[in-house]
Amino acid sequence: QVQLQQWGAGLLKPSETLSLTCAVYGGSFRGYSWSWIRQPPGKGLEWIGEINHSGITNYTPSLKSRVTISVDISKNQFSLKLNSVTAADTAVYYCAGGSGRYDSLSWWGQGTLLTVSS
Amino acid sequence: DIQMTQSPSSLSASVGDRVTITCRASQSIRNYLNWYQQKSGKAPKLLMFAASSLQSGVPSRFSGSGSGTDFTLTINSLQPEDFATYYCQQTYSAPRTFGQGTRVEIK
Repeated sequence: QVQLQQWGAGLLKPSETLSLTCAVYGGSFRGYSWSWIRQPPGKGLEWIGEINHSGITNYTPSLKSRVTISVDISKNQFSLKLNSVTAADTAVYYCAGGSGRYDSLSWWGQGTLLTVSS
Repeated sequence: DIQMTQSPSSLSASVGDRVTITCRASQSIRNYLNWYQQKSGKAPKLLMFAASSLQSGVPSRFSGSGSGTDFTLTINSLQPEDFATYYCQQTYSAPRTFGQGTRVEIK
């Protein structure tokens, strides 16, 4: 059974960089796609981006200039960096992963609440 | 970007009711459509993939249909544990956008 465990800072000041890491346990890391999704308080899900089994990344256009998703295959981990955060980036951030032709997100991390406040 | 529009945004239903949620894509996404259930304070859970394929372990009262631009998620005989928010997501192309969600509440 694949499990995802994520960690990272939960309180940042404006202009700082968000850094989150997600570790994959109980399954193969290779061959799957790994994603980050966020959810502002009381709102819906926003797809941030992904890195696939070939190392190719895709990002949502509104965040593309500030986001980097990377993997460390040796540690079965993938990471999210979001530069120059503002209050608008306050949200619960989820890591997720899945496989197959339809790239559905079968596995999810527990979520990390990021609060951006001066 | 492909826009995903769900309707209704919320609904009230009773245990035992049949509930249908609709998701419409701004362009054809073939059957690259997934459905998720999210309960308060929890991570989303995959219910359906490829529009109509039930994820392992999900009760058979959940079903999905559709292709192209119009999709539905149906819950037959709503159970107390089904009260939650439901999201569709297209994975036809990046960015892999979600619908805005449909909240299913107890009547």
